[in-house]
Amino acid sequence: AQSVAQPEDQVNVAEGNPLTVKCTYSVSGNPYLFWYVQYPNRGLQFLLKYITGDNLVKGSYGFEAEFNKSQTSFHLKKPSALVSDSALYFCAVRAYSGNTGKLIFGQGTTLQVKP
Amino acid sequence: NAGVMQNPRHLVRRRGQEARLRCSPMKGHSHVYWYRQLPEEGLKFMVYLQKENIIDESGMPKERFSAEFPKEGPSILRIQQVVRGDSAAYFCASSFGLAGGGDEQFFGPGTRLTVL
Repeated sequence: AQSVAQPEDQVNVAEGNPLTVKCTYSVSGNPYLFWYVQYPNRGLQFLLKYITGDNLVKGSYGFEAEFNKSQTSFHLKKPSALVSDSALYFCAVRAYSGNTGKLIFGQGTTLQVKP
Repeated sequence: NAGVMQNPRHLVRRRGQEARLRCSPMKGHSHVYWYRQLPEEGLKFMVYLQKENIIDESGMPKERFSAEFPKEGPSILRIQQVVRGDSAAYFCASSFGLAGGGDEQFFGPGTRLTVL
């Protein structure tokens, strides 16, 4: 069965420090991987995706993610956190094969950036 | 270019009533997805539609829930005879490309359904 795991419910970092939000996945075939951010009472905003090619993917707002096939991971990173980055972050996977477009989401990780 | 539109943003229903949630995809998008977010949980896929066709409804409850995406007009998620357990945020997303591609899905602001 396809699944996504975000092992940390919450990540706390100080402003200006690097941040990492972890994600591991399990899927048959080659995965398409996505990161989304959700602010309170809002919909999800797309940050970045991995389809193929370079393992390091750069996205919106200075975020990047590294695809690691051997560890089946797709961790989200940012070199210097901002207070405004505080939000709920979701990792998602879509199976490469098949006709469905559905995304499988992780449980989400709350990022708190303190001044 | 307007994003994905959903209405209403908030919907209150009493047990046994019907709830109708509407979604207008982004301009040029013909693929629509519905997800449900229960309190303290992540998003769960419900259904994937293209114009006039249901492609994947593997996440839809077997009873009381239905979805459509007509040739003209918005996609509708319909919940009949609502129960308290239906209280959740319902998100619609749309994408431009075919299901076999890696196009990202763009999400609407959601409809928060409260069942009294």
